[in-house]
Amino acid sequence: DTEVTQTPKHLVMGMTNKKSLKCEQHMGHRAMYWYKQKAKKPPELMFVYSYEKLSINESVPSRFSPECPNSSLLNLHLHALQPEDSALYLCASSQGGGSRDTQYFGPGTRLTVL
Amino acid sequence: SQQGEEDPQALSIQEGENATMNCSYKTSINNLQWYRQNSGRGLVHLILIRSNEREKHSGRLRVTLDTSKKSSSLLITASRAADTASYFCATTYDKVIFGPGTSLSVIP
Repeated sequence: DTEVTQTPKHLVMGMTNKKSLKCEQHMGHRAMYWYKQKAKKPPELMFVYSYEKLSINESVPSRFSPECPNSSLLNLHLHALQPEDSALYLCASSQGGGSRDTQYFGPGTRLTVL
Repeated sequence: SQQGEEDPQALSIQEGENATMNCSYKTSINNLQWYRQNSGRGLVHLILIRSNEREKHSGRLRVTLDTSKKSSSLLITASRAADTASYFCATTYDKVIFGPGTSLSVIP
């Protein structure tokens, strides 16, 4: 199984809502990532979890809160978002905790903040 | 912050022609990877080339790496309409940084 799954595929939320994005992989990978991608732009790294510990936070606003309940799951909790946070949110995983390994991406969650 | 730059930003070719995309970067790297993304979906890994390698092939793909010029190229031979997508290079050192991407259109 070389698949990374993400739910939901689409999410529309208001600025006062609280929602969560979910990501799952069953490849035994020990590193998981959240990226944000705006239209016609490259993915921008948000967070990296390595062996279930947060290893990189790219100065992401606190309205985004990551969580790694176990080595197969990665959540991104959203609260009080702004319209400019509307984007495609991509999850990825890689075998090791470093950055040298191939990253496998999920299909993404298309988030719209009203 | 973006490390890589890609050239061209957009490329339109006829089916059967070859497509070449270039990527430049600024700092040291452990490896360089190329990804494809179809119309706002997830990225698909195409090929990884390590910093001590100069050329790598995978099917219709050929990647070169010149660390002295801090540049890489991706060649897709005998292009197909299904190759229409955005292509990103990504450099890795302490973390992965994606270049701005090349939008490839292959016209049937």
